[in-house]
Amino acid sequence: GNSVTQMEGPVTLSEEAFLTINCTYTATGYPSLFWYVQYPGEGLQLLLKATKADDKGSNKGFEATYRKETTSFHLEKGSVQVSDSAVYFCALSKIQGAQKLVFGQGTRLTINP
Amino acid sequence: GAVVSQHPSWVICKSGTSVKIECRSLDFQATTMFWYRQFPKQSLMLMATSNEGSKATYEQGVEKDKFLINHASLTLSTLTVTSAHPEDSSFYICSARGAGPYYEQYFGPGTRLTVT
Repeated sequence: GNSVTQMEGPVTLSEEAFLTINCTYTATGYPSLFWYVQYPGEGLQLLLKATKADDKGSNKGFEATYRKETTSFHLEKGSVQVSDSAVYFCALSKIQGAQKLVFGQGTRLTINP
Repeated sequence: GAVVSQHPSWVICKSGTSVKIECRSLDFQATTMFWYRQFPKQSLMLMATSNEGSKATYEQGVEKDKFLINHASLTLSTLTVTSAHPEDSSFYICSARGAGPYYEQYFGPGTRLTVT
């Protein structure tokens, strides 16, 4: 079946540090890949997505590249801010049908000033 | 745009009672709504998918008689936990998807259910 594995958290960094959150997936066919962010007290928000191999999704300084050969979609940001503190979820969905999302376990990120 | 609300944000109920959670799309029509359950420090698990005016499709292992889902309009879906037990205590999250520019899942803030 389809599954997503994220690096375990929590992750704590200092402001302006480089961020990587690893995400790998298992899926039949060619899924779409997503990163969602959940700020404290709020619902999940789509951060970025990629729908085919070698696509790069980017938003708010975050980037992730769809790597079919390594079945990965790692999230990166060159210089994190305190406001980036949140829980980050990697997810996949199949292109056809109901497009149900399968989530990774989430990674809590805390950025210290 | 694309705001999804849930009500209540938290609820405490006694074992054996039923509780209803509402999910509303505030500024778009949601042709499909999804209900998830999230355990502490764990991922979101899809419980069911519902299309407006149709019966919900439940994921394997989810008791449809216990978790009643109604998607009666294009802006409202409800999840009723019947005969609740302490093991039903969890964080329940809904998402809604519309058509055109709203063709992605927009998530509600979640409802914390505690069954005593």
